[in-house]
Amino acid sequence: GQSLEQPSEVTAVEGAIVQINCTYQTSGFYGLSWYQQHDGGAPTFLSYNALDGLEETGRFSSFLSRSDSYGYLLLQELQMKDSASYFCAVRGTDSSYKLIFGSGTRLLVRP
Amino acid sequence: DGGITQSPKYLFRKEGQNVTLSCEQNLNHDAMYWYRQDPGQGLRLIYYSQIVNDFQKGDIAEGYSVSREKKESFPLTVTSAQKNPTAFYLCASSIANQWNTEAFFGQGTRLTVV
Repeated sequence: GQSLEQPSEVTAVEGAIVQINCTYQTSGFYGLSWYQQHDGGAPTFLSYNALDGLEETGRFSSFLSRSDSYGYLLLQELQMKDSASYFCAVRGTDSSYKLIFGSGTRLLVRP
Repeated sequence: DGGITQSPKYLFRKEGQNVTLSCEQNLNHDAMYWYRQDPGQGLRLIYYSQIVNDFQKGDIAEGYSVSREKKESFPLTVTSAQKNPTAFYLCASSIANQWNTEAFFGQGTRLTVV
């Protein structure tokens, strides 16, 4: 099966940089993706890494190291609106297309 | 506008009743999913479907049932066998491809047992 581990909560101040880590265990691998969810809302897709390295999309970047089974989401110039839960996710490796999510990291941005 | 729609937004159920949550998408996606989310928790997969007339159990399928008679629709029934159904239910769809992990979510249905 697959499993993903994330810290449960991270706190940072407005304008700072924060890194949210994700380690995964899976027999096969098709890439790591990240989603953002505000309280009471729907998750929205942020980024996807299939290969090692850093992918940058505006203030958000995502990194992947396949040899370490590890990835992270980097949020720069934090804004209050970035307070949300962030989930990493992988595809199933049993010839299915199921999408498995980590337990999520709650980010609290303080003034 | 393309998207995925869940209804109702809020649903109240009496103990012992079955209820059906609707999920419709017009994104032409083959794959559809149902997740359950409890307060402060992650997304747990209930059922998923890769193609019409086919669906597979996820990690917490007991007490739930689904159908996939049309590509656009993937309704979830919460049966009386589900002992603790109060939760936030999210439906999602995506391209059925191992290398595409962008899923689109509906706004969710909050189910409460009264």
